[in-house]
Amino acid sequence: DVKVTQSSRYLVKRTGEKVFLECVQDMDHENMFWYRQDPGLGLRLIYFSYDVKMKEKGDIPEGYSVSREKKERFSLILESASTNQTSMYLCASSSTGGFYHEQYFGPGTRLTVT
Amino acid sequence: AQSVTQPDIHITVSEGASLELRCNYSYGATPYLFWYVQSPGQGLQLLLKYFSGDTLVQGIKGFEAEFKRSQSSFNLRKPSVHWSDAAEYFCAVGDSWGKLQFGAGTQVVVTP
Repeated sequence: DVKVTQSSRYLVKRTGEKVFLECVQDMDHENMFWYRQDPGLGLRLIYFSYDVKMKEKGDIPEGYSVSREKKERFSLILESASTNQTSMYLCASSSTGGFYHEQYFGPGTRLTVT
Repeated sequence: AQSVTQPDIHITVSEGASLELRCNYSYGATPYLFWYVQSPGQGLQLLLKYFSGDTLVQGIKGFEAEFKRSQSSFNLRKPSVHWSDAAEYFCAVGDSWGKLQFGAGTQVVVTP
């Protein structure tokens, strides 16, 4: 089974702090994604990566950056956390072979910025 | 750009009754379509997917979905719901680069 893990289930940070959210997948997938999930808005793509050291902006990249130094790990960085970044963050991965659009999701990190 | 509309924000259904969740998409080429389910406190789990071929797709947990190109729809159905089907359901359309565009989700409540 594909496993996508996220470093924390719940996180509370203060406004202005730098926040790191970590995601690790164990299936050697090429693609990795970061989404935020808000009630009534579904999932919105923040950033994605097709390969190590590669990154592409999604629909809502403002206020975020990412890092992918190793194939299995994709980090989301909030350079200076703000209250409007309080949300559920979901990481996903997928392969480029076969049904490559099928994304496998981690359990999510619920981030609260106070 | 692709988009997905789930017209129903919230649906309440009795246990044992049938369920249908609506999904309409907008995409210029042949769509890759997905339904995911999110149980409380959990990540998303894939229920089923459509890429091509038979327009009626079977998934896990007794769910099925029908792709109708003429209506740009991919509705999810289950003949008889169980209390464990209470969850949020997301329809998504994928592009040729592997990116997914999700709908806003439909919350399903199952009553005894």
